Amino acid sequence: EPEVTQTPSHQVTQMGQEVILRCVPISNHLYFYWYRQILGQKVEFLVSFYNNEISEKSEIFDDQFSVERPDGSNFTLKIRSTKLEDSAMYFCASSEARLNEQFFGPGTRLTVL
Amino acid sequence: AQSVTQLDSHVSVSEGTPVLLRCNYSSSYSPSLFWYVQHPNKGLQLLLKYTSAATLVKGINGFEAEFKKSETSFHLTKPSAHMSDAAEYFCVVRYSGAGSYQLTFGKGTKLSVIP
Repeated sequence: EPEVTQTPSHQVTQMGQEVILRCVPISNHLYFYWYRQILGQKVEFLVSFYNNEISEKSEIFDDQFSVERPDGSNFTLKIRSTKLEDSAMYFCASSEARLNEQFFGPGTRLTVL
Repeated sequence: AQSVTQLDSHVSVSEGTPVLLRCNYSSSYSPSLFWYVQHPNKGLQLLLKYTSAATLVKGINGFEAEFKKSETSFHLTKPSAHMSDAAEYFCVVRYSGAGSYQLTFGKGTKLSVIP
């Protein structure tokens, strides 16, 4: 069964460093998403991406965040200058169409020291 | 604004007994509602979804949920718990008004199943 994959499973970085979280969505899906979950809090929407551009973003998704689909398979989330409060589990998801089920990856745990 | 409240952070049941995980939503418009499950080190998996068709929704692994507009609830049930049901469960709402398709999650309910 096709699934969304994410790498790495755990990333540790120093405050102020740039990180790139990688996702491989399901191959025939056209909509891509990033969510995050800070420990003990709710899963929060960050951004959705379609047709090589951001279709929707939340207040959390400020200028330090960016997304990219650099090739036909990967979908990346870049955090330019990490802060302690960026420590969270980051989930990638994809869907075939806007109203279809979103399939989630297993997440990347980001720890900022 | 849309929001979801999961009333219990942790539910513990004995194997073979019924499961009830509670969820209330707040939405200005007719919502789409979902239950997702997350097993350790796995992605979020869709259990079932309500999208304005039948109010009683059947999902995978014997789970059901009933949409009750008058109570703004979407509780998840299963008649008989199995050990493999132990996981974290998320109630999720999507409001598709004004072109928004983002999912709004509840805080999650951790289900423990006692042998």
